[in-house]
Amino acid sequence: DAKTTQPPSMDCAEGRAANLPCNHSTISGNEYVYWYRQIHSQGPQYIIHGLKNNETNEMASLIITEDRKSSTLILPHATLRDTAVYYCIVRVYNQGGKLIFGQGTELSVKP
Amino acid sequence: DVKVTQSSRYLVKRTGEKVFLECVQDMDHENMFWYRQDPGLGLRLIYFSYDVKMKEKGDIPEGYSVSREKKERFSLILESASTNQTSMYLCASSSVRLLQETQYFGPGTRLLVL
Repeated sequence: DAKTTQPPSMDCAEGRAANLPCNHSTISGNEYVYWYRQIHSQGPQYIIHGLKNNETNEMASLIITEDRKSSTLILPHATLRDTAVYYCIVRVYNQGGKLIFGQGTELSVKP
Repeated sequence: DVKVTQSSRYLVKRTGEKVFLECVQDMDHENMFWYRQDPGLGLRLIYFSYDVKMKEKGDIPEGYSVSREKKERFSLILESASTNQTSMYLCASSSVRLLQETQYFGPGTRLLVL
C-alpha cells in the first residue's frame, strides 16, 4: 500500500507557482521521498527526490518538513505542459526497490 | 539523458496469442522492471531483473514470463493472452550505483486483448 496521502486534484494559473502537498506521516528514517509525474497515456517521468534536506533541480523544488512527515513539490512557473498527475512516493527497498504509486494529484494548469 | 524504449506504443492481440513486449535501456542499468497500470489500481510489479539471466517475481507474475539475455534488454512474454491482460505496460530501469536507484520509465505499451 502507498504510504502517502495527496489531494486528488488541484488547479494552478499558468506562470504561477504550483505547490503540491504530500503527507507521509509513517515514513521511516532512511526512506526517501520521490516525485514522479505522468502525462496522459505516457510513462511516468522522474522529477526529484530527497531524504531530509530541501532539494532543487531544473524541474522543481522539494521541501521536506523537519519531522519528515510531509513534503511539498514546487513547480516555480507552471506551464500548460505541466498538466499531469503527480505522484509522491515513499521508496521501499524490497522487490528490487519497486515503486508503489498512490492515486496522485491531478494538476490542471489553466491559461 | 536516460532513455528507455519500448517496442510498441499500442498493440492489439487476440485471446490465446503469444505476445512479446520488449524494453531496451541505453544507460547500462543493472535493474529492469515490468509493471502494469490499471485505473484505480496504480502500478503493479510483474517481474524484475537485477542482472542478465536473473529474474524475480513481483506481485502479479501469473500469466507472464520474462527474459533477460542481454543487459540492455528485458522482454515480457504473455504466453497465452487473455482479456484481463488488457492494460498499460510500463518498463523501467535503474542503476544500483546512482541516485538511490532512481527508476526511469519507458513510454508504455497499451495492450488490448480481444
